[in-house]
Amino acid sequence: AQTVTQSQPEMSVQEAETVTLSCTYDTSESDYYLFWYKQPPSRQMILVIRQEAYKQQNATENRFSVNFQKAAKSFSLKISDSQLGDAAMYFCAYRSVPGGSEKLVFGKGMKLTVNP
Amino acid sequence: GAVVSQHPSRVICKSGTSVKIECRSLDFQATTMFWYRQFPKKSLMLMATSNEGSKATYEQGVEKDKFLINHASLTLSTLTVTSAHPEDSSFYICSAEYRGYGEKLFFGSGTQLSVL
Repeated sequence: AQTVTQSQPEMSVQEAETVTLSCTYDTSESDYYLFWYKQPPSRQMILVIRQEAYKQQNATENRFSVNFQKAAKSFSLKISDSQLGDAAMYFCAYRSVPGGSEKLVFGKGMKLTVNP
Repeated sequence: GAVVSQHPSRVICKSGTSVKIECRSLDFQATTMFWYRQFPKKSLMLMATSNEGSKATYEQGVEKDKFLINHASLTLSTLTVTSAHPEDSSFYICSAEYRGYGEKLFFGSGTQLSVL
């Protein structure tokens, strides 16, 4: 079974600075998807960024980018120019491609605080 | 983007009553929906996978007679908590898969269930 590990339960960052959230996973599959989801106090799950394992290029979405290291099974999220609205719980998640279990497997989450 | 509507957002009920939570995909057809449960400051725990027109697949340890899931159409799945007890109090979230849209999952806004 696949597992996702977020070893840092909490982090803080100064507004306008950069922060990196770490995530590692374990799988025997060669193709899969990785995601970062954000859950603000409203508790709405918001997709931040998505990476397909077969793509070597790291995904980017505006101020959010990932460092995907397939061999190391590492998938970190970098938030540049941090904003107060980035404060939230962040969950790393793994999903098999169709034909596998296809459910999202979440890490335990990490609480990000942004200081003004 | 695709929208998933979940109702009610909050429900308070007496012990022993049943509560139904609806999850609707508003602008796409969702062949698969997932139901999660989230305890305070914890990650999302998958309860079951719901496929349109077939029986739901429950995760190990989830009582299928307690948590009834119906996915009668491509846009609606319901979770009924039967004979609710205080230990069933939790935050319940649904998500729907939009195939052909990068296999992304879109989440409802969640339902906070409080059983007195």
